[in-house]
Parts: sequence; C-alpha cells; structure tokens
Amino acid sequence: GAVVSQHPSWVICKSGTSVKIECRSLDFQATTMFWYRQFPKQSLMLMATSNEGSKATYEQGVEKDKFLINHASLTLSTLTVTSAHPEDSSFYICSARWTGGNTEAFFGQGTRLTVV
Amino acid sequence: SQELEQSPQSLIVQEGKNLTINCTSSKTLYGLYWYKQKYGEGLIFLMMLQKGGEEKSHEKITAKLDEKKQQSSLHITASQPSHAGIYLCGADLEYGNKLVFGAGTILRVKS
Repeated sequence: GAVVSQHPSWVICKSGTSVKIECRSLDFQATTMFWYRQFPKQSLMLMATSNEGSKATYEQGVEKDKFLINHASLTLSTLTVTSAHPEDSSFYICSARWTGGNTEAFFGQGTRLTVV
Repeated sequence: SQELEQSPQSLIVQEGKNLTINCTSSKTLYGLYWYKQKYGEGLIFLMMLQKGGEEKSHEKITAKLDEKKQQSSLHITASQPSHAGIYLCGADLEYGNKLVFGAGTILRVKS
C-alpha cells in the first residue's frame, strides 16, 4: 500500500510552546488529509479535514486557532499545536487519500505529544 | 464517533475460535473501511467495502457490508495470536468529506 510518513514520532515540549507535526505522502498525491487525536484506549477522534490549497474543515469543538492545519502541497500537511498545555498531550495521527473520497486512507505512524 | 457504533468493545477468544465484530450506522455508508491498530501505532488497512451486499476476504478475515449499506461485520476464522490488536471500522458518511471511526474493538487471543 501507499506510504504516509509522520514526523516526529514523539515529542516532549514545555507548556506554552508550539509544536509542529508533519504528515507526508511519500508515493502518491494526497488531495485530502485527515488529522485525528487518540486518547488512551479510545478510538480516533477526527479533528479536521484538509484539502490541498484550501482551508481545513474543523470538527465541532476543535479550536482552529489552537490547532493550525496547513495543506500547502499534495504531499505535505502540517498540524501545529500552538501554546501547548498539558491537556493537549495525546497521540495525533494523520491520514491521506489520493482522491476526494471513497478510497482507502493511509495512515502515518502517529505522534505522541507530551506537554510538560 | 457516535455516528458509527462498533461492538463489542473488547473480546477475548481462545486461539482457534471464530469471532465477529460489528459496525452499525443510522446513516448510509458511502465507503466502509476496516483497519487494525496496535496501541500507540498507526493503522493498517485491512479492507474496503463500497457496494451493498459486498463481501471481501483476505486470509482468515472476511468483511461484509449489508444491502442497505448501514451495517458491516468483520469475521475472523480460526483466530491466532497474531490477530490480536484493536480493530476499527471507519466510514465516509458524506462523499469524500470526512472519514470517521467507530469506538474500536480490542481483541485478545489466548494461546
């Protein structure tokens, strides 16, 4: 299957700082990318959907100013957690698909963010 | 997602036994996907179903989508320890706009 690379795989940051997570589709062009958050022993919670070249669509309850998403190219989307706080500590996963929909999405390895 | 109900939440089976995981929605599913995850890692794509009544198999895993495209099941035959993990059903509830997931099923296989 297609490869999606997510970086970093883990990061520890101080409270109040910002952290950027990258999601790259290595061997295909991703017109749509999704960002999820996963709490321990829970499922994936969709945070936002981004289409290349346009603004991300955020799910209800997700602060767009807190979680900045950029999808500037067909192979790269970034999630920036701004002014991180300990409650932002979580596992973040991105996925990418090459068309607008109804094809399988491929997932990155995930990023474990710990805010201290 | 509350839009996708997945059951059971967890399952412990003896090696060699069969098992079924269900995924149900009150909405029409435009695409239904089954993934497997080891906790703290990414998701591994298993199967995709799109047509009502569709059934797919890979090795000992079979997935079905009902005719109304609102319910799917994942069946594992003769389970092995390698099948252990978290199984997630995901679906497109609107064409291409968002991919949401059920709560997941934690599967343990006892040797």
